[in-house]
Amino acid sequence: GENVEQHPSTLSVQEGDSAVIKCTYSDSASNYFPWYKQELGKRPQLIIDIRSNVGEKKDQRIAVTLNKTAKHFSLHITETQPEDSAVYFCAASLGYSTLTFGKGTMLLVSP
Amino acid sequence: DAGVIQSPRHEVTEMGQEVTLRCKPISGHNSLFWYRQTMMRGLELLIYFNNNVPIDDSGMPEDRFSAKMPNASFSTLKIQPSEPRDSAVYFCASSLEAGDNSPLHFGNGTRLTVT
Repeated sequence: GENVEQHPSTLSVQEGDSAVIKCTYSDSASNYFPWYKQELGKRPQLIIDIRSNVGEKKDQRIAVTLNKTAKHFSLHITETQPEDSAVYFCAASLGYSTLTFGKGTMLLVSP
Repeated sequence: DAGVIQSPRHEVTEMGQEVTLRCKPISGHNSLFWYRQTMMRGLELLIYFNNNVPIDDSGMPEDRFSAKMPNASFSTLKIQPSEPRDSAVYFCASSLEAGDNSPLHFGNGTRLTVT
């Protein structure tokens, strides 16, 4: 089955800095890569996703890039704010199957 | 839309007791998922249903766990008997269709503590 590795497990940045979270996946047939944000004590919520026919996608301060050859994808958050502090999960899907999640990255943005 | 609704939000029970968690998916969503979240293991898929039919229950830890979906608007996850190692947050999620990359919508979860 699919295996998703996520790094780093924790990330501390200063407000205004950029943050990058990286994930690798094992099955080259995976074609859908969403990112979820989970604030403390709350539910995971989809923030952005990318499909395998696209190399990059942006939504305001967040962007996701996908390298199919290397089988890795990354989340980029620019101009970080304290409210970006949360746990971020990447995931991968083969399309006909359910999502496989990474173990999560705890992002802490200090004012 | 009220989103995915789970109950109870918190459950504290003693080892050996039966626990039932409930979920109402988003209306119109055909797929429902039960996840368990712990610090050690992250988000684990326990079971998922498509059109009320269980499709994959390979993530269910053992026979103490069972899940049902009697209709399109209701599902339960039961643990009998419960054990301290079952303590976790249990999330229910729904999507339009499993397998077509429809976004998952999570409920607020049930925090289960087994003493």
